Amino acid sequence: KQEVTQIPAALSVPEGENLVLNCSFTDSAIYNLQWFRQDPGKGLTSLLLIQSSQREQTSGRLNASLDKSSGRSTLYIAASQPGDSATYLCAAEIGGGSEKLVFGKGTKLTVNP
Amino acid sequence: DARVTQTPRHKVTEMGQEVTMRCQPILGHNTVFWYRQTMMQGLELLAYFRNRAPLDDSGMPKDRFSAEMPDATLATLKIQPSEPRDSAVYFCASGFGRLAGGGETQYFGPGTRLLVL
Repeated sequence: KQEVTQIPAALSVPEGENLVLNCSFTDSAIYNLQWFRQDPGKGLTSLLLIQSSQREQTSGRLNASLDKSSGRSTLYIAASQPGDSATYLCAAEIGGGSEKLVFGKGTKLTVNP
Repeated sequence: DARVTQTPRHKVTEMGQEVTMRCQPILGHNTVFWYRQTMMQGLELLAYFRNRAPLDDSGMPKDRFSAEMPDATLATLKIQPSEPRDSAVYFCASGFGRLAGGGETQYFGPGTRLLVL
């Protein structure tokens, strides 16, 4: 059974700092790995999707990497801003013909002005 | 700006009552997912549909939960009878479905926050 873990559960940083959020998964047979953002009281917004054949994806100040062999993904946020404060969740899409996403519990990020 | 809509946004009910949550997926999306989010368990997949047909509902308690898609513009999740442990935020998401040849990203609705007393 696929399990996804995110460490740390919460992170507080000063504005402008570069930071890394970590995600690990137990079964390397994934179809893709996705990162989502969730604001309080809101749904999830997809940030980046990395196919299993890819190593990384970039969007603006965000860069996500994937290492299937070690069961890890990281989300790098450059020059953090207060508007980046949210909970970030990673999700692994189970392979083998299923489209199920298994989510980690998220990292709550606070960027202080 | 196309988005997934869910109603109601908030629901408070008493144990034993029936609860129905509704979702309108983005027009043209052929895959619909129902998730439940709690502090303890995080986000869990309850069920999903492709082209209105249920593909997997293994995450759903069968004795009290049911999910349907009466038509392509409406998905429903029903709990009968409701219990306090059902208190959670229920999200609907839609997408084009990878296995149907489309993109993989799922678009989430704002959720229904359910409290069962």
